[in-house]
Amino acid sequence: ILNVEQSPQSLHVQEGDSTNFTCSFPSSNFYALHWYRWETAKSPEALFVMTLNGDEKKKGRISATLNTKEGYSYLYIKGSQPEDSATYLCASLGGATNKLIFGTGTLLAVQP
Amino acid sequence: EAQVTQNPRYLITVTGKKLTVTCSQNMNHEYMSWYRQDPGLGLRQIYYSMNVEVTDKGDVPEGYKVSRKEKRNFPLILESPSPNQTSLYFCASSLYPNQPQHFGDGTRLSIL
Repeated sequence: ILNVEQSPQSLHVQEGDSTNFTCSFPSSNFYALHWYRWETAKSPEALFVMTLNGDEKKKGRISATLNTKEGYSYLYIKGSQPEDSATYLCASLGGATNKLIFGTGTLLAVQP
Repeated sequence: EAQVTQNPRYLITVTGKKLTVTCSQNMNHEYMSWYRQDPGLGLRQIYYSMNVEVTDKGDVPEGYKVSRKEKRNFPLILESPSPNQTSLYFCASSLYPNQPQHFGDGTRLSIL
């Protein structure tokens, strides 16, 4: 994988559903993986930054895991609420440069 | 209050008229970046800076210049703007690139 890819592109769930999405990134020369939450008409807000293989981070109902050997990270939302509706972005930081490469995001819509 | 401040928030201008978008942070962060956001393409890094007088190209630097004369400021300069630079621009900063980025409120530029 040369770029950062996120799937699915969009997701519609009902309130209370648990959901997850994927971020794939180049596994060679990996340094850090960022997750951001971006609500419409606002700026992206940081959720997590992970660096170690096997890292798991949690913030309330949102958690993330990291597999640096195979180059993927999962973001999980437990019991989705309408206020979770946003675009979720991941970004990969390579070790050779200090460039942050973003994926195109997963748009989550939670129906009440 | 810790923040990243961008100005202006909105600007409509004409092709070829030089413009500068300012970015200032009050958190003593080393790492600062400029991104542009276009529909379907996600956030793309234009330039980043690791410290004063240290700047590097991101993925889409053509047509842009930056400077980092002081730690807190990282202006984005469009010497001769063209319509394909019409976009939403974000400035962001973090202590280091493997730390969560703090984003400004965004600047919507329209080049006619």
